Amino acid sequence: EVQLVESGGGLVQPGGSLRLSCVASGFTFSSNWMTWVRQAPGKGLEWVANIKQDESERYYVDSVKGRFTISRDNAKNSLYLQMNSLRAEDTAVYHCARGGSRFDSWGQGTLVTVSS
Amino acid sequence: EIVLSQSPGTLCLSPGESATLSCRASQSVSSSFLAWYQQKPGQAPRLLIYGASSRATGIPDRFSGSGSGTDFTLTISRLEPEDFAVYYCQHYGYSQGTFGQGTKVEIK
Repeated sequence: EVQLVESGGGLVQPGGSLRLSCVASGFTFSSNWMTWVRQAPGKGLEWVANIKQDESERYYVDSVKGRFTISRDNAKNSLYLQMNSLRAEDTAVYHCARGGSRFDSWGQGTLVTVSS
Repeated sequence: EIVLSQSPGTLCLSPGESATLSCRASQSVSSSFLAWYQQKPGQAPRLLIYGASSRATGIPDRFSGSGSGTDFTLTISRLEPEDFAVYYCQHYGYSQGTFGQGTKVEIK
């Protein structure tokens, strides 16, 4: 069974940093593109970033470019999202998902709240 | 930047009825990269349709997708109680992903 479990969310002040993790199991992690998708409270889904199997390609939504970095450790079956210079508008549940262009498995998400 | 516009915002229907959800792209997109998801309250989204018309693993055949170019449709025939949820279309292209704003299907 495919499982994706996120962690690392929490309350952070504007301008602060946070690192999200996603641990994968039940499939060959190193063979898959991976993606982060977020959902602000009561709002729709927003694609954030994705990363190729070997980290040779990484793409971001414009609103997080230069602030967020997606990475992975295939030996640990783990996906990461380093978030710096956080803003109030980054407040959301962050989901990791399997896939690069379509997302066939999702984690339950971890809540990031940016507030003073 | 491709924008996906979904309509209607809310659909009020009864179990057993059919639902037709629309997703319109701001420019022509490849059907190969058009997907639909279902999300219930407190749950992660679930992939329903990919490639505009292919059902994902385990998805009942009452869910069907169609369309090309800028206009895509998700049809749910014979709504079951568990189908009342929010539905999102999604496209990937030019190294960017984008979602529509969602259509809520609620019980009449």
